[in-house]
Amino acid sequence: NAGVTQTPKFQVLKTGQSMTLQCAQDMNHEYMSWYRQDPGMGLRLIHYSVGAGITDQGEVPNGYNVSRSTTEDFPLRLLSAAPSQTSVYFCASRRVPSLEQYFGPGTRLTVT
Amino acid sequence: TQLLEQSPQFLSIQEGENLTVYCNSSSVFSSLQWYRQEPGEGPVLLVTVVTGGEVKKLKRLTFQFGDARKDSSLHITAAQPGDTGLYLCAGEDDKIIFGKGTRLHILP
Repeated sequence: NAGVTQTPKFQVLKTGQSMTLQCAQDMNHEYMSWYRQDPGMGLRLIHYSVGAGITDQGEVPNGYNVSRSTTEDFPLRLLSAAPSQTSVYFCASRRVPSLEQYFGPGTRLTVT
Repeated sequence: TQLLEQSPQFLSIQEGENLTVYCNSSSVFSSLQWYRQEPGEGPVLLVTVVTGGEVKKLKRLTFQFGDARKDSSLHITAAQPGDTGLYLCAGEDDKIIFGKGTRLHILP
């Protein structure tokens, strides 16, 4: 099993550009989530999904869209990148009702 | 909004010393988790505590969940350089919310 994979590992965008961060898991986990991690701020929940076709907002959803068309994939879309979105983004998954959450290696995004 | 406060923010101690870090909230959580994160990697789950007053041990690490399920502590005995990292607590209710972490550095 590959676990949780994220691509790309690094990305630089200009303000206003759009892009999609990819996340996939091969563990058949129902629950997937996206976090951003900023210095001194810990991990903040952006969006999460409890299963295919179901998504919901977390603490900091503005500027991000998600969809969950399959159990395996949970892409995060930045519609119009802003410097405030410079961060490290982590995708995570877990099997319900287990609380054990598995994290991907992260995507480091810089918006100039 | 549920908040988790972790203290201290930073801790640097000599190898062999003992230490305790804390995770506190004014809210009740159904469970609480501790993760360790190393630079350039995602967090890795260390333990989950679900019962008020519960104590779990993982080798030299002892985790305790408060009786009221609002706080938790992590105690490390005889710290080693391999314990260096960012320790995050996370509370679970309908979502999983993280604290800001304690950055631990063990000096050889």
